[in-house]
Amino acid sequence: GDSVTQMEGPVTLSEEACLTINCTYTATGYPSLFWYVQYPGEGLQLLLKATKADDKGSNKGFEATYRKETTSFHLEKGSVQVSDSAVYFCALSDQAGTALIFGKGTTLSVSS
Amino acid sequence: KAGVTQTPRYLIKTRGQQVTLSCSPISGHRSVSWYQQTPGQGLQFLFEYFSETQRNKGNFPGRFSGRQFSNSRSEMNVSTLELGDSALYLCASSLFGVTGSYEQYFGPGTRLTVT
Repeated sequence: GDSVTQMEGPVTLSEEACLTINCTYTATGYPSLFWYVQYPGEGLQLLLKATKADDKGSNKGFEATYRKETTSFHLEKGSVQVSDSAVYFCALSDQAGTALIFGKGTTLSVSS
Repeated sequence: KAGVTQTPRYLIKTRGQQVTLSCSPISGHRSVSWYQQTPGQGLQFLFEYFSETQRNKGNFPGRFSGRQFSNSRSEMNVSTLELGDSALYLCASSLFGVTGSYEQYFGPGTRLTVT
């Protein structure tokens, strides 16, 4: 079945460092891809999305490009802030488009 | 526009009891999905409702059920609670986008503890 694999955390960075969180997927068809972020004690917030190959999603300085040839959707940010500390989830929509399949999540900790 | 709301935010129940959780979607959203989040299994899809009909269901036992009302509000019920049902239950609503992707917007969750 469809699945998402993302790098294990935690990822610990200093403020202003570059961030990459790897995400690869297995799916039949061409799913939409998402990155969600979860802050402590909160639900998930949609960070960015891409709906077809070569689409680039971007938001708040984060970017991810839908790479069909490598089945990847890596999350990147050029300069992280302490406020970016959270858990990041990569997800894809199932074929029906009614359910999200999530990776295990990657914890990011940014120190000043 | 108000976001997805879930009530209650916290619940403590005893093994064997049943529980009902409520979710109000974003105004205009007709699709509501439910997810269970645990440290061990991560985020897992429970079911999705659209216009009062269950369209999709994850791999959970029949003790987990849900329904949706005509105003799109949804409830999920767990009967005969087990210790392993302790989790954060997240509700998400969505609106069919012009690109055909179902972006889902999540509520804050209900933290259920089974003792």
